[in-house]
Amino acid sequence: EAQVTQNPRYLITVTGKKLTVTCSQNMNHEYMSWYRQDPGLGLRQIYYSMNVEVTDKGDVPEGYKVSRKEKRNFPLILESPSPNQTSLYFCASSSLIRNTGELFFGEGSRLTVL
Amino acid sequence: GEDVEQSLFLSVREGDSSVINCTYTDSSSTYLYWYKQEPGAGLQLLTYIFSNMDMKQDQRLTVLLNKKDKHLSLRIADTQTGDSAIYFCAERTGGFKTIFGAGTRLFVKA
Repeated sequence: EAQVTQNPRYLITVTGKKLTVTCSQNMNHEYMSWYRQDPGLGLRQIYYSMNVEVTDKGDVPEGYKVSRKEKRNFPLILESPSPNQTSLYFCASSSLIRNTGELFFGEGSRLTVL
Repeated sequence: GEDVEQSLFLSVREGDSSVINCTYTDSSSTYLYWYKQEPGAGLQLLTYIFSNMDMKQDQRLTVLLNKKDKHLSLRIADTQTGDSAIYFCAERTGGFKTIFGAGTRLFVKA
């Protein structure tokens, strides 16, 4: 089954404790992206990657890091989480060859930073 | 800058039509999308329209695009309780960037 898998789905952590949210896709997509969803703000892009070893900042990259060492994986790293990073995070992937730009989303990771 | 705006809430009775509206700012958009988010789940593409089209129909869904006014709408005919969800309007701008609206929460009353 074609899917984007994120882990963990739920996480409560404390300020300053490094954490990683993993994302993996099995569709051989070139493009992967991280979004955060906050009430009234919709989805805002954090980082994206057009292919292996190619990453770039989205609209709200501060406080986050990413890496793309393999095509299928795109982890999101919070080196020193702060309460304003409490949010619902989505990973998404898309094919750059099939040009409709349809994004396939994971089920989301709800993060609470105390 | 690029922006997509949509109203936050819509309430309809079961069996009525729902119309969700959206405005966008980037006139170079190539594709416009409607995504659906059910509770506890990620977004799923509902339908999309290419920017050189005015209308697209897919079963109960009708998408209308007014490129001059940069206005996109989604009509759901015979709305059912299973249609209750958040609907996101999105546009694909130059390059490969997708801009999302804040989402419209659709409530369907039985």
